[in-house]
Amino acid sequence: DTGVSQDPRHKITKRGQNVTFRCDPISEHNRLYWYRQTLGQGPEFLTYFQNEAQLEKSRLLSDRFSAERPKGSFSTLEIQRTEQGDSAMYLCASSLLRGSQETQYFGPGTRLLVL
Amino acid sequence: QKEVEQDPGPLSVPEGAIVSLNCTYSNSAFQYFMWYRQYSRKGPELLMYTYSSGNKEDGRFTAQVDKSSKYISLFIRDSQPSDSATYLCAMSSDSNYQLIWGAGTKLIIKP
Repeated sequence: DTGVSQDPRHKITKRGQNVTFRCDPISEHNRLYWYRQTLGQGPEFLTYFQNEAQLEKSRLLSDRFSAERPKGSFSTLEIQRTEQGDSAMYLCASSLLRGSQETQYFGPGTRLLVL
Repeated sequence: QKEVEQDPGPLSVPEGAIVSLNCTYSNSAFQYFMWYRQYSRKGPELLMYTYSSGNKEDGRFTAQVDKSSKYISLFIRDSQPSDSATYLCAMSSDSNYQLIWGAGTKLIIKP
């Protein structure tokens, strides 16, 4: 499968624990995005990378959230000291920016439940 | 007011009907318009991508953009039960590639 993959697909954790999610983008894609989606809403932008550089981070993203893309390939999203309000689907998307054309392809998501 | 408005539905239609899904937006800088389909507990899947105004057709799907009215539509012909999903519109501008999303419309096609 050459699409975007995410791991794990599901995560249940207790409040206060740290969690880390991984995203493997489509090979050769230079941009990688993280989104959060709750029921009945569209995806909410969290952050994105161009190659290994993190270019933008949502103002809504608290300091408990951090993302990395160390070699410009896979990315990790870590949430420290999880709260019940962090329960959501975390989506990763990748794209290849060509001039002004860009299409984002999404992974299956990681569903997080914080108890 | 949200930048992109989309009726959440649910929209329920019989199999074979023509479906019309719509989004309105407020930012005149938007130039790129997308429709994504999302099945329950899955990631969004790109259906249609349109630049600026006009129509684009792909099989049973037609996307329309009317920039003068700040209104976009997705039409599905000969709808099938497998089309039952949530349909999300998304858009962006030349100066900011970040996608702005509608909340999604839940579509149900009854056999």
